[in-house]
Amino acid sequence: DTAVSQTPKYLVTQMGNDKSIKCEQNLGHDTMYWYKQDSKKFLKIMFSYNNKELIINETVPNRFSPKSPDKAHLNLHINSLELGDSAVYFCASSQDRRLEQYFGPGTRLTVT
Amino acid sequence: ILNVEQSPQSLHVQEGDSTNFTCSFPSSNFYALHWYRWETAKSPEALFVMTLNGDEKKKGRISATLNTKEGYSYLYIKGSQPEDSATYLCAPHNAGNNRKLIWGLGTSLAVNP
Repeated sequence: DTAVSQTPKYLVTQMGNDKSIKCEQNLGHDTMYWYKQDSKKFLKIMFSYNNKELIINETVPNRFSPKSPDKAHLNLHINSLELGDSAVYFCASSQDRRLEQYFGPGTRLTVT
Repeated sequence: ILNVEQSPQSLHVQEGDSTNFTCSFPSSNFYALHWYRWETAKSPEALFVMTLNGDEKKKGRISATLNTKEGYSYLYIKGSQPEDSATYLCAPHNAGNNRKLIWGLGTSLAVNP
């Protein structure tokens, strides 16, 4: 019954590896987002898709690539992981960009 | 770039106290304002989405007002309870800028029993 789910919840990996985080929403929403929570607990938008179309692409390293196979899924792939990528990554969805966002539980990524 | 300021940064109150926080944002091109509640070790949870000047919304003991002309919103909690302890985030978005939310740093509320 989870509205927005993310897998994995925890991810520990070494520098230089490539990893993916998956996000799925069962709310029928059209818009999905990826956020990075920095060390000060500040939420920074990374990407947003609306009906599988990229609408927000903030200044993030091109090692980060989102993929939306359908409007219920928005995955985040990260190449050549760096120490500074360690953070909590949140996925969210909303019916419309104007409406409230529903967040997933977060994925805590630790790069060693 | 929107500048969102929330005050106070943190607040400690006693159970039963009523409290309020402020969110300030540039008023130009206003589109909507979101309030979220974020408990430790959980995910942000939407409280309100407000769009019209003068809007007032209420959910239980929590209410919010909006002034789009002067660029501020207040969040009120009546009779605070320990379970209200959380960070309260506001996030406006304007008509341009891809309508993305610009998140404030939040007000961290601790309610002592």
